[in-house]
Amino acid sequence: EDQVTQSPEALRLQEGESSSLNCSYTVSGLRGLFWYRQDPGKGPEFLFTLYSAGEEKEKERLKATLTKKESFLHITAPKPEDSATYLCAVQHSGAGSYQLTFGKGTKLSVIP
Amino acid sequence: DTAVSQTPKYLVTQMGNDKSIKCEQNLGHDTMYWYKQDSKKFLKIMFSYNNKELIINETVPNRFSPKSPDKAHLNLHINSLELGDSAVYFCASSRKTSSGANVLTFGAGSRLTVL
Repeated sequence: EDQVTQSPEALRLQEGESSSLNCSYTVSGLRGLFWYRQDPGKGPEFLFTLYSAGEEKEKERLKATLTKKESFLHITAPKPEDSATYLCAVQHSGAGSYQLTFGKGTKLSVIP
Repeated sequence: DTAVSQTPKYLVTQMGNDKSIKCEQNLGHDTMYWYKQDSKKFLKIMFSYNNKELIINETVPNRFSPKSPDKAHLNLHINSLELGDSAVYFCASSRKTSSGANVLTFGAGSRLTVL
């Protein structure tokens, strides 16, 4: 069974204070690892897909990296508008695979 | 234009009632989903349809019945509502990347409160 564990559960940063969120996963063959952002009262919004160990993707102040066991979402010089819950999910590579398994998320608060 | 739209956004009802949530996507995706997000914000898959065919049916009480009249619509009907059904229900649709990964687009959610 696919498993995703995210840490920490919550993170408070001062504006400009860089940090990383962790996503550890167990999957029977990785088809893709996904990062989503969820704002209060809204649905998750897609950020990145990573496919294989060593891959990196960037978007503004966010950079996602992937190893064989975990992924990191690095946030450089965060701003208050980066405050949200960040969700990690995996999709296994089995035949007919459609399902994403989500972690419980990291709630990020960036204080001005 | 809203890509994945759900109605209603809020639903407050009594135990034992029957209710429905509707979902429509205008992205041209073949696959649609229902996810449940509990009070601890954990997102869990309930159902998935691909081109109107049920492909994922997780361990969900049979009081929950999805229906897909066409590939752009996926509705969720819930019979005999219980207190534990209170949650936010998200509809999503997905496209496959060239690598076969499913990129989901979510609706804004429907918050169900059972009293």
